[in-house]
Amino acid sequence: EVVLTQSPGTMSLSPGERVTLSCRGSQTLDTRYVAWYQQKPGRAPRLLIYGTSNRATGISGRFSGSGSGTDFTLTISRLESEDFAIYYCQHFGRDNSPRYSFGQGTRLEMK
Amino acid sequence: QLLESGGDLVQPGRSLRLSCVASGFIFDTYTMSWVRQNPAKGLEWVAVIDNYGDIRYHADSVKDRFSISRDNSKNTLYLQMNSLRVEDTALYYCVQVLNGNFHFWGQGTLVTVSS
Repeated sequence: EVVLTQSPGTMSLSPGERVTLSCRGSQTLDTRYVAWYQQKPGRAPRLLIYGTSNRATGISGRFSGSGSGTDFTLTISRLESEDFAIYYCQHFGRDNSPRYSFGQGTRLEMK
Repeated sequence: QLLESGGDLVQPGRSLRLSCVASGFIFDTYTMSWVRQNPAKGLEWVAVIDNYGDIRYHADSVKDRFSISRDNSKNTLYLQMNSLRVEDTALYYCVQVLNGNFHFWGQGTLVTVSS
């Protein structure tokens, strides 16, 4: 089963900064099935990016995703106050049955 | 919209059934899933079912105890949870699945397993 490791666990940043979040797989990931989610306190996760680099409906162009092999990133070009949240990566794979894996999350906090 | 219900405080070994009523999209064209979240384990996929209800898979951690099902005539997704354990305590989300990713999430229903 694929294990996703996100780093760092927490980042302290200021509005306006650019940030890149990392997600590394324990084995090669299928780029068609790598996604990123944003979760704010008391809210359900929200899909940001799917298929490594495709923005979900209604997601700001400040968010972009990239990656290949085992290393994937989510970049926020200019942080806004509403971006301070927890971000999770996720991968879908199959062996004999579907496998959905999540990273443990990266928390962005305001400095 | 996805509206979950059925979460409760139950004792270990007991059963519970969660429901999720969908609206605003054509329910019977989407694969659906349950995903749970707790502070210890983070986000964890629980089960998935195809749009017809014919193909179902469950995570190893719940296999043989939980069962996902759906009633397309009622636009409703279910999760039957038997032999509940303390470690099943979590917020359970009903989620619309597309191409292996979780595209739309309900707000969740809380299951607490404790004696």
